[in-house]
Amino acid sequence: GAGVSQSPRYKVTKRGQDVALRCDPISGHVSLYWYRQALGQGPEFLTYFNYEAQQDKSGLPNDRFSAERPEGSISTLTIQRTEQRDSAMYRCASSSLLAGGPPSSYNEQFFGPGTRLTVL
Amino acid sequence: GQQLNQSPQSMFIQEGEDVSMNCTSSSIFNTWLWYKQDPGEGPVLLIALYKAGELTSNGRLTAQFGITRKDSFLNISASIPSDVGIYFCAGQPPTNTGNQFYFGTGTSLTVIP
Repeated sequence: GAGVSQSPRYKVTKRGQDVALRCDPISGHVSLYWYRQALGQGPEFLTYFNYEAQQDKSGLPNDRFSAERPEGSISTLTIQRTEQRDSAMYRCASSSLLAGGPPSSYNEQFFGPGTRLTVL
Repeated sequence: GQQLNQSPQSMFIQEGEDVSMNCTSSSIFNTWLWYKQDPGEGPVLLIALYKAGELTSNGRLTAQFGITRKDSFLNISASIPSDVGIYFCAGQPPTNTGNQFYFGTGTSLTVIP
């Protein structure tokens, strides 16, 4: 079956513009996560959803960043008034089981190919 | 957020050699994961570890959850060219129940045929 897809794959924008990044999780996956990955670094957690409910947004850098998943499937990460420091790879991941389970188990996250954002 | 320290940062080895890399943290974790990332792709899970001292294998890969719960190790035996990529560790701290993981800085592996 299809994996996690993200669009656009590349986005170049001017400083001050708003951008919307889309994530289409694996069909039936209930949990969805957003990460940001700077060059040469590991993914950095931003936020996650169980179904349509945003469970944890503690990783969002500031209030210019927001995410939604209104119907519990596709999610959009929006960055308002973009700044050059927002340039990074933004990755989405989904998992088949609800996040928040016991620490002795892991709900595998399947990552998408990412959206490379460049803010000029 | 937390960043885990991985070492080495990069490795250049001959095909057939064994590889060892590790990941350390200043705080304890309940779960350790190891991922591989190919160029232009997202990370793919290799091994998950749930208990201190646990040793788990997946083909030529073996990973261990350190006894102190502050480190983990990944070994690759008899490396092959397709092992090339960036390897990330990730850990989940005890206070976190949201499936949120902190990722390491990555080890870049190059295998010379």
